[in-house]
Formats: sequence, structure tokens, C-alpha cells
Amino acid sequence: DIQMTQSSSYLSVSLGGRVTITCKASDHINNWLAWYQQKPGNAPRLLISGATSLETGVPSRFSGSGSGKDYTLSITSLQTEDVATYYCQQYWSTPLTFGAGTKLELK
Amino acid sequence: EIQLQQSGPELVKPGASVKVSCKASGYSFTDYNMYWVKQSHGKSLEWIGYIDPYNGGTSYNQKFKGKATLTVDKSSSTAFMHLNSLTSEDSAVYYCASLGRSWFAYWGQGTLVTVSA
Repeated sequence: DIQMTQSSSYLSVSLGGRVTITCKASDHINNWLAWYQQKPGNAPRLLISGATSLETGVPSRFSGSGSGKDYTLSITSLQTEDVATYYCQQYWSTPLTFGAGTKLELK
Repeated sequence: EIQLQQSGPELVKPGASVKVSCKASGYSFTDYNMYWVKQSHGKSLEWIGYIDPYNGGTSYNQKFKGKATLTVDKSSSTAFMHLNSLTSEDSAVYYCASLGRSWFAYWGQGTLVTVSA
């Protein structure tokens, strides 16, 4: 199984600031990576697939990058509505696996 | 509008079983696999498996083989997940998700399953 490691369980962030969330796979996943946003009580929301492709309707302040085993989700000009938990997910091989999540908290 | 509408919360006794449904609308049900994902309280997400509504073919996470059984009813565009021999470890929110190619573009609202005597 491919393990997905999000090194930060929590990140303390400032409104208007830039946030970078990292995700490392235990094996190469060839950009077969998705990012999700989840707010309490809600289902996850797909933000990015293919490591870099922004889903329709997702604000352009979100972006994804990376290759091989290492991937990042960046948020510029953080807004209040971006405070949530973010998960990465690999779909290179089954079982499909998720990171443990990174929860953003306001400073 | 694409929607995945799941059945309501369930309170079940240990050892019992439960069947969760997910009714799809707004797209061609048989064109996309239906995935199921578990989220235990305060925890991350686990992929349970998927079913191909076109032919009923399934793939399961080894961890959930024997625990979950996925089926569909094409006539009503509804997917089902049957969970058996429930224990407290099965208490969680269960989601259906679809319209991705092994990623999850659309999600149901989740079904809370609570296992308690």
C-alpha cells in the first residue's frame, strides 16, 4: 500500500497570508494525486486532481504542484472560508489512500 | 444538477448489519464507478471499495473485504453498501462518491452509522 504523509497535522495561519501544505507518498505516484478540503460536518470537496488541475469553481488562489513522491497545495491570500482540513489522496494504485489531513487554524 | 443522496443515520446493535444507500441523479449512473469512503470520528478517510454500475464489477480495499458488500440497482440509479457483523470500530460516517477516475469529484452528504448496545 502507498502511504501518504502530510507532515503537519495543524498549521497556524493568518488571513491574507500564504499557506503551503505538503504531502509525501511512500512511492512514486506520477502526479496521480488529488487534494480535498473538508469543513466540519460536511463531505470533502475536490479541489485539485492530477496534482495541478484546479476543479471548476475552485478559486484561483488554490494551486497544486509537485512530482514523483512530493506534492504541495498552496493557498495565497488566505480567506476565512479557507479555514478547513485538507487531505491529499493518491490514485496511482489500489488501495486508494489518503493523508492524515492538515487542519488550518487562524492565528 | 449532480447529486448523490444518501440514506439517513443508523443506530445498530453490535453484531447486526446495516445497508446504506446512495441515490445518484443528474448524470449517467452507469458511466462512472461508485466509490465508498469511511471516516471515523475526528479521523482521516479510508477507501472501502468501488463498484462499476454498468456490470456490477467490484474492487475492495483488502481491509474491508468480508466487512462491506457493494451492490447497485440500475433501475433506480442507486448504489448500496452492506456492512455486516458490526462492532464499535465500524461506527463512522460513510460516504459515497463518484464522477472521478479514482478520485472523488462528487460526494454524498454522508451517513452516520453508530454501533451501540
